[in-house]
Amino acid sequence: GQNIDQPTEMTATEGAIVQINCTYQTSGFNGLFWYQQHAGEAPTFLSYNVLDGLEEKGRFSSFLSRSKGYSYLLLKELQMKDSASYLCAVSLNTGGFKTIFGAGTRLFVKA
Amino acid sequence: GAVVSQHPSRVICKSGTSVKIECRSLDFQATTMFWYRQFPKQSLMLMATSNEGSKATYEQGVEKDKFLINHASLTLSTLTVTSAHPEDSSFYICSARARDRGSGYTFGSGTRLTVV
Repeated sequence: GQNIDQPTEMTATEGAIVQINCTYQTSGFNGLFWYQQHAGEAPTFLSYNVLDGLEEKGRFSSFLSRSKGYSYLLLKELQMKDSASYLCAVSLNTGGFKTIFGAGTRLFVKA
Repeated sequence: GAVVSQHPSRVICKSGTSVKIECRSLDFQATTMFWYRQFPKQSLMLMATSNEGSKATYEQGVEKDKFLINHASLTLSTLTVTSAHPEDSSFYICSARARDRGSGYTFGSGTRLTVV
């Protein structure tokens, strides 16, 4: 079966750094995505990792270890607007490259 | 960038009626469209994969006769919820893969369906 785990909720302070972890066990792997989703809105793309290592993009960085089935999203210099759900998603190399999502991590940024 | 237009954004329908949701890729050809459903405070659950010119592939537990998917062209995919019931009330969202896989999947804006 397919399984993606991430913490349900996290709280952090404005200006701080937060790391959201994701572990996955899937049959087939074609890359891992992180998305941000505000309540009632569509997810927006943050990052994509297909090789091991760290990808940095502004205040957001994403790390992947394929051997460990592990990824994290690092958010620096947190802002209030970063309060949202963060979805870890794995693209499979089967079924037309369909993507399955973790349950999401709700991040609350406090002043 | 790649844009997927989805409408309606909100719809309220009576129990027993059918509702059609459309997703159009505006500036690229989406040979594959994915349909998801999201209940409050839950993640996106893949319902089906829609392929242009062929039958959709449904995930386990999704009734293909209730959720009709049509992908008649490279830019249009539709999801019809037939004989809707209150338990079908949910957020339905489509996504398509852009040409550049590294840019992720482009999502439509979602449809909030309420069945009364």
